[in-house]
Amino acid sequence: DGGITQSPKYLFRKEGQNVTLSCEQNLNHDAMYWYRQDPGQGLRLIYYSQIVNDFQKGDIAEGYSVSREKKESFPLTVTSAQKNPTAFYLCATRRDSRLANEKLFFGSGTQLSVL
Amino acid sequence: GNSVTQMEGPVTLSEEAFLTINCTYTATGYPSLFWYVQYPGEGLQLLLKATKADDKGSNKGFEATYRKETTSFHLEKGSVQVSDSAVYFCALSDPGQNFVFGPGTRLSVLP
Repeated sequence: DGGITQSPKYLFRKEGQNVTLSCEQNLNHDAMYWYRQDPGQGLRLIYYSQIVNDFQKGDIAEGYSVSREKKESFPLTVTSAQKNPTAFYLCATRRDSRLANEKLFFGSGTQLSVL
Repeated sequence: GNSVTQMEGPVTLSEEAFLTINCTYTATGYPSLFWYVQYPGEGLQLLLKATKADDKGSNKGFEATYRKETTSFHLEKGSVQVSDSAVYFCALSDPGQNFVFGPGTRLSVLP
């Protein structure tokens, strides 16, 4: 079954702790993205990667880090420097980011809360 | 830069009512336009898209027409159902650039 798998569905972070959110895709898409969604708000871009071993900061990258060692995987680490991490995190992929008509595919999200 | 503006929500309708959610955009190039839907606790799903002026996207009874002269892409449905209750996002994409999303409009349909 093709798609995007985000895990875990729910995650709790203690003060001063780093946590990693997983995003795996078997769509063979080149581009991958991480978005943050706060309650009742729109989507804000954290990081994106258009190709393996390369990634760029989005609009709110501070306090987050990513890696793209494999085409299928784009994990997001929420570091202790992110003081307000409680949010719904969405991973997305895109077959070819050069083409305007290529849609974004989304995972089912991870809800991160602070203990 | 590019931007998307949507009507403020929440929008509350009775079942079988007519739905319009307004969306206008600002873009420097020739973008493609999209409507995504998000059900509670889930990711976004593509509802419909249009890639050039005067194109009409449609899916599941929803429609939107790409109007270049008014820079708009309003979402419409003739008769909403309770199951249409969700958050709707208008978005645009220019070649080689990331998606730009509107803030979302929450729709609640009452039986």
